[in-house]
Amino acid sequence: EDKVVQSPLSLVVHEGDTVTLNCSYEVTNFRSLLWYKQEKKAPTFLFMLTSSGIEKKSGRLSSILDKKELFSILNITATQTGDSAVYLCAVPTTSGTYKYIFGTGTRLKVLA
Amino acid sequence: NAGVTQTPKFQVLKTGQSMTLQCAQDMNHEYMSWYRQDPGMGLRLIHYSVGAGITDQGEVPNGYNVSRSTTEDFPLRLLSAAPSQTSVYFCASRVAGAGELFFGEGSRLTVL
Repeated sequence: EDKVVQSPLSLVVHEGDTVTLNCSYEVTNFRSLLWYKQEKKAPTFLFMLTSSGIEKKSGRLSSILDKKELFSILNITATQTGDSAVYLCAVPTTSGTYKYIFGTGTRLKVLA
Repeated sequence: NAGVTQTPKFQVLKTGQSMTLQCAQDMNHEYMSWYRQDPGMGLRLIHYSVGAGITDQGEVPNGYNVSRSTTEDFPLRLLSAAPSQTSVYFCASRVAGAGELFFGEGSRLTVL
């Protein structure tokens, strides 16, 4: 059965800390892995990873994929209170018509 | 840019009532989908569509009906609402291929 598991479930840090969020997956016909940030409303897209070992970076956020070990990490450096959110990982599965499997998310709270 | 538009944003129903959640996108996306989000469960796929006239079931389709008569619209119908359908519903779309999903703002449904 295809699955996506995120860890930790929740995390509380102080401003300026660096955090690492994990996403492991087991899916058939892997094509890509996506990271989203969800604050109060709709998830907003952060990164899509398709190639192993190539880091995607946007400001203080970066992500990398390991297709051999079947996981991805999302790093946030110098955290700010505005980084407080739920971070979701998603993997499309099933060739042809794609279904996306989402992890349950990591809830990050950054304290001032 | 409108993107993905969902209506209504909030709805309260009584058990047994029916209703339709509307979803429209103006990006000419072939793929559209409906998710529900419950605490601790992440986003779960209800139904999806890969084009006008083509729909398929996701992970949790029971109690929901969909149709896709146009590329732009993908309504989700609750046939006879149950308290277990209390949730936040998200519509999402993307272009063909396993790429980024664009989400609507969500619809919070409460069934009493």
